[in-house]
Amino acid sequence: DTGVSQDPRHKITKRGQNVTFRCDPISEHNRLYWYRQTLGQGPEFLTYFQNEAQLEKSRLLSDRFSAERPKGSFSTLEIQRTEQGDSAMYLCASSFHRGSFSYNEQFFGPGTRLTVL
Amino acid sequence: DAKTTQPNSMESNEEEPVHLPCNHSTISGTDYIHWYRQLPSQGPEYVIHGLTSNVNNRMASLAIAEDRKSSTLILHRATLRDAAVYYCILRDVGGNEKLTFGTGTRLTIIP
Repeated sequence: DTGVSQDPRHKITKRGQNVTFRCDPISEHNRLYWYRQTLGQGPEFLTYFQNEAQLEKSRLLSDRFSAERPKGSFSTLEIQRTEQGDSAMYLCASSFHRGSFSYNEQFFGPGTRLTVL
Repeated sequence: DAKTTQPNSMESNEEEPVHLPCNHSTISGTDYIHWYRQLPSQGPEYVIHGLTSNVNNRMASLAIAEDRKSSTLILHRATLRDAAVYYCILRDVGGNEKLTFGTGTRLTIIP
């Protein structure tokens, strides 16, 4: 088990460009989460999936943001027409949900740091 | 989500115990208390969680007040590797899946 991986680790782009990040969760984890973290703040929830279904989206996820998890394994987060305010660390986490609520620890990846110039 | 309040920063000497406080006066009866920490340049990692009783694991202990309006994360013997931001988070047992992080406590370990 290699943990949650994210690619790329760093991305520098110009304002107005589109960017896509990838997250590979721990194998057999059925839930996958995206968070965003700006300097000096704790991570903020963006969205999460159970298998391929997107179950919740934060109001932070504007229409320029889209996330997918097409086969219930890896996920992508795309930001269209990037703005300087999108500069942040984008974190992915995964967990195994057992049906009725039981504690499911979230395992985080190292994040993708986005800088929009 | 119910709100938590933590000191912005704390310092501790290496090899001494550390007590990290968290206030959660609006906690509901179905909220679990969770602690995660974030080491420099890494994603957060789970530390411990509890509901009513004190909890121990290999990383830390969690002491929960009788009225559940506050809790304390205890690192029994701090090492330099424990320097991190520690987040106290409430999660409803009903399955609200997202973690709602505050700004946490930045713990500095003095060699």
